[in-house]
Amino acid sequence: QVLLEQSGAEVKKPGSSVKVSCKAPAGTLPTYAISWVRQAPGQGLEWVGGIIPIYGATYYTHNRVTIIADKTTNTVYMELSRLRSEDTAVYYCARGIIVPSDISPYYFYYMDVWGKGTTVTVSS
Amino acid sequence: AIQLTQSPSSLSASVGDRVTITCRASQGISSALAWYQQKPGQPPQLLIYDASSLARGVPSRFSGRGSGTDFTLTISSLQPEDFATYYCQQFYNFPLAFGPGTKVDIK
Repeated sequence: QVLLEQSGAEVKKPGSSVKVSCKAPAGTLPTYAISWVRQAPGQGLEWVGGIIPIYGATYYTHNRVTIIADKTTNTVYMELSRLRSEDTAVYYCARGIIVPSDISPYYFYYMDVWGKGTTVTVSS
Repeated sequence: AIQLTQSPSSLSASVGDRVTITCRASQGISSALAWYQQKPGQPPQLLIYDASSLARGVPSRFSGRGSGTDFTLTISSLQPEDFATYYCQQFYNFPLAFGPGTKVDIK
């Protein structure tokens, strides 16, 4: 069974940054994308961004997000800066099955394996 | 950005019922749609990809149909473990997006 190991819960002050890690089994980063999805309390799923390490391709929905992959440790990091109370959520990393596009040079993905989630609480 | 809507937002059903959930995209997305199931306190689980392909290990009572803008997820005979929230997700273009979810609970 594929496991994605996420870092532990974080409590942060507004305006600070948080960095969440997602360690994947060896062989994952050369083959798959890694996506980050968050879920605010009682709310639905929101895609935050993702990376395809083999292509060095990243996409973010917020300009406060940075996603990097460390191929030597099979770990992907998601950093969110200038935190606000609205960023309080469970952050999931998920393995993405890469799908080439018929209409663009990009690659897209759906998520087949999910981490257990990291709770990030932003509070003064 | 492509937006997804789901209907109904919630439904009550009994064990053994046939349940259908609809997902509609704001523009055509071919068959680039996935469905996920999420139970409270757990991460989502992939059920269907490419609109109609069953993910590994998912029971055959789950099925997906559609292409373009209109899609459905059907549970042919609802089981006790199927009470959960279901989300659709498009992977046709960035930003990837999820529908708002459909909660299925016990009647």
